[in-house]
Amino acid sequence: AQKVTQAQTEISVVEKEDVTLDCVYETRDTTYYLFWYKQPPSGELVFLIRRNSFDEQNEISGRYSWNFQKSTSSFNFTITASQVVDSAVYFCALSENSGSARQLTFGSGTQLTVLP
Amino acid sequence: DAMVIQNPRYQVTQFGKPVTLSCSQTLNHNVMYWYQQKSSQAPKLLFHYYDKDFNNEADTPDNFQSRRPNTSFCFLDIRSPGLGDAAMYLCATSRDRGTSTDTQYFGPGTRLTVL
Repeated sequence: AQKVTQAQTEISVVEKEDVTLDCVYETRDTTYYLFWYKQPPSGELVFLIRRNSFDEQNEISGRYSWNFQKSTSSFNFTITASQVVDSAVYFCALSENSGSARQLTFGSGTQLTVLP
Repeated sequence: DAMVIQNPRYQVTQFGKPVTLSCSQTLNHNVMYWYQQKSSQAPKLLFHYYDKDFNNEADTPDNFQSRRPNTSFCFLDIRSPGLGDAAMYLCATSRDRGTSTDTQYFGPGTRLTVL
C-alpha cells in the first residue's frame, strides 16, 4: 500500500528565511508520480508540481525548488526567501500507475507560517 | 480561463436535511472527483467519475451519492447530513486516469456546516 509521510506538522519562519518541507513516501510500484499542492486559508488546493518516478532531476521554479531522491524515497520542497504569502498548508501526494484508477494519496500536510 | 468551479462556497444545512453541492469544469476533463476534507486533515477521496463510469471508494458512506449529467457538471448529494459530515468538500478534475497527464486540478471547495 502506498503511504506519504510529512513529519513536520507546523513550521514557522521569519520572512526572507529559507524553509524546507519534508516528504517521504512508500510504494511498491516502479512507476509512480509525486505532487505538491498548496492550500491557502481560502481552501483551494493549488497544484505546484508533478514529478514522475523516472525523472530524478531536481526542479526550480522561481523561489520554489524540489529535491527528488529515490534512494531515500523523499521529495522535499524548499522555498527560498520566504514571503508572508507563502503561509499555507502544503500537501505532498503520491499516485501509483497500477490499478483501475489513479488514486492520490496525500500526506497529512505541513502548516507553514511566515511571519513578517 | 479554464477552471473548476464550485457552488456555493459556503453551505449551511440542518441535521438530516438533504443537501446538494455542485461542481462544474471548463477544462473538458474526463475524470471528476469528490473529496471530503475535515479540519486539519488531508483530503479523503469519496468517489470519482471516469466519463459516466462511477467509482465509489469502499469506505464512502451510503449517505453520499453523486451524479454526473454531462462532462461539465458533477453533483454531490448528502441524503441525511449528520454533524460529522461538516467539512470542506473539494471537487477535482483530471484529463484521463489512464495516462501520465493525470494531474488533479481542484476547485475552491464548499464548506458545509450542519446545524
